[in-house]
Amino acid sequence: DIQMTQSPSSLSASVGDRVTITCQASQDISNFLNWYQQKPGKAPKLLIYDASNLETGVPSRFSGSGSGTDFTFTISSLQPEDIATYYCQQYDNLPLTFGGGTKVEIK
Amino acid sequence: EVQLVESGGGSVQPGGTLRLSCAASGFTFSSYAMSWVRQAPGKGLEWVSGISGSAGSTYYADSVKGRFSISRENSKNTLYLQMNSLRADDTAVYYCAKDIILLVPSAMDYWGQGTLVTVSS
Repeated sequence: DIQMTQSPSSLSASVGDRVTITCQASQDISNFLNWYQQKPGKAPKLLIYDASNLETGVPSRFSGSGSGTDFTFTISSLQPEDIATYYCQQYDNLPLTFGGGTKVEIK
Repeated sequence: EVQLVESGGGSVQPGGTLRLSCAASGFTFSSYAMSWVRQAPGKGLEWVSGISGSAGSTYYADSVKGRFSISRENSKNTLYLQMNSLRADDTAVYYCAKDIILLVPSAMDYWGQGTLVTVSS
């Protein structure tokens, strides 16, 4: 199985800050990488697919980049409603696997 | 509007069985792969199983292979997960999720609200 390693596991930032989360795959997954947002008590929401494509309706302050084994997710200007846990997920090989998650809090 | 509504969760003893259902609406159900994803209390997401739009292909995580069975009835717009030989570590919220493509699980763009399965004696 492909292992997905996310870092950091949690972070605290101020409103307006730029936030960056990294995700590393245990092998080359090309661009077969998605990012999800999960707010407390809610189902996950797809934000970015194919490493860098913004899902319809998702604010442009969210972005993703990377290919191969190293990927980055960025919130350009953190907003209070962005408080959530973010997960990366690969689909190069089955089983689908998720990163451990990054909990984002407001400082 | 796409809606996915899970049902069938509950409490069961170790070794027991449960069948989860997911009623779908608002899209052409047979045109998309579907998956079950679970989340143990306070933990991260774990993909459990997936099925192609035609139901011709099924996929499982190693942790549930041989115990769980995924199926779908496209005529009823319903996805199922038959769970046998349940263990304590199967305790989780189980989400039904719609994929963005037909054949193989890849990216899940709509999710249900989840149904809680608790395995305990």
